[in-house]
Amino acid sequence: KQEVTQIPAALSVPEGENLVLNCSFTDSAIYNLQWFRQDPGKGLTSLLLIQSSQREQTSGRLNASLDKSSGRSTLYIAASQPGDSATYLCAVEIDYKLSFGAGTTVTVRA
Amino acid sequence: NAGVMQNPRHLVRRRGQEARLRCSPMKGHSHVYWYRQLPEEGLKFMVYLQKENIIDESGMPKERFSAEFPKEGPSILRIQQVVRGDSAAYFCASSPVEGVETQYFGPGTRLLVL
Repeated sequence: KQEVTQIPAALSVPEGENLVLNCSFTDSAIYNLQWFRQDPGKGLTSLLLIQSSQREQTSGRLNASLDKSSGRSTLYIAASQPGDSATYLCAVEIDYKLSFGAGTTVTVRA
Repeated sequence: NAGVMQNPRHLVRRRGQEARLRCSPMKGHSHVYWYRQLPEEGLKFMVYLQKENIIDESGMPKERFSAEFPKEGPSILRIQQVVRGDSAAYFCASSPVEGVETQYFGPGTRLLVL
């Protein structure tokens, strides 16, 4: 059974600081890994998707790496802004099922 | 192209009542997935449907829960005789084909059972 763990559970940083969010998973036979953003009371927004054959993806200030062999992914957010405050979810896909971590709640202080 | 639509967004039921949650996938998407997010927990897969077929319901409780995706109309997640433990956010996602690209999520239905 796939277990996905996200550390830390919560993070508070001053504006401008870089963010590092960690995700680990137990079964390396994944199809892809995704990072989502969830705002309170809202749905999920896909930020980055890394196929199993890839090692990283970048979009603007976001960069995500994937090390399948060690079962780890890291999401980097450069120069954080108050608008980055949200819960970030990591999810791995095996077949069609997404297995999610519990998330890291980020607060960026102005 | 409208995104995944879910309604209602909020639903309050008393114990023993029925809850019906609706999901309209994105245009051109024929695969629907339901996930449940319990308070302070991650999202958990419940069921995967294609038009008129349940492909995988391994994550759905055996009792009281059912799902359908008819040829016409939205996908429906039905919870009979709700209990307080059913209080959660229920998210629907859709994709054009299985496993090719990301699943697109709706805004969720927040069910509160009193």
